[in-house]
Amino acid sequence: ILNVEQSPQSLHVQEGDSTNFTCSFPSSNFYALHWYRWETAKSPEALFVMTLNGDEKKKGRISATLNTKEGYSYLYIKGSQPEDSATYLCASQNRDDKIIFGKGTRLHILP
Amino acid sequence: KAGVTQTPRYLIKTRGQQVTLSCSPISGHRSVSWYQQTPGQGLQFLFEYFSETQRNKGNFPGRFSGRQFSNSRSEMNVSTLELGDSALYLCASTGRGSYEQYFGPGTRLTVT
Repeated sequence: ILNVEQSPQSLHVQEGDSTNFTCSFPSSNFYALHWYRWETAKSPEALFVMTLNGDEKKKGRISATLNTKEGYSYLYIKGSQPEDSATYLCASQNRDDKIIFGKGTRLHILP
Repeated sequence: KAGVTQTPRYLIKTRGQQVTLSCSPISGHRSVSWYQQTPGQGLQFLFEYFSETQRNKGNFPGRFSGRQFSNSRSEMNVSTLELGDSALYLCASTGRGSYEQYFGPGTRLTVT
């Protein structure tokens, strides 16, 4: 994998349901994996930065895992709320400090 | 602590003109990165400045340039504007010893 790929591109989830989405990134020369939440009309907001294989991070109802050997990360949202509606971006940073963003997963929470 | 600021927020230019965008990082942050976002694309990395030096550069033509001042404020310049340069330009600053980037609100550039 040369690029950062996120799937799905778009997702509709019923309020209260849990969901997850994927970020695939180049595993060679890997340094760090970033997750951002980007709400409409706002700036991207950093959620997590992970560097080590097996890392798990949690912030409230949102958590993320990292597998650097196979080059993927999952973002989980438990008990989705309307305020979770946003685009979730992941970005892979390599050891040369180059950062490549995925195109994002657009999450819509249905009331 | 004030966040990252970008000016102007909106800009309309015509083809062939040049434009300068400004970014003021969070106080104490010395690294500033610039990104371009166009519809259907992810954030595309333009360049990163640290202590007035360009530390990294993305795959953009030479029409895109930048600089950083001693107070860490950064400017990005695009010369000979093309229609395809219409985009949201975001800058982000990073603090010392941190991986986290803090983004500004962006400058929406429209080239007609």
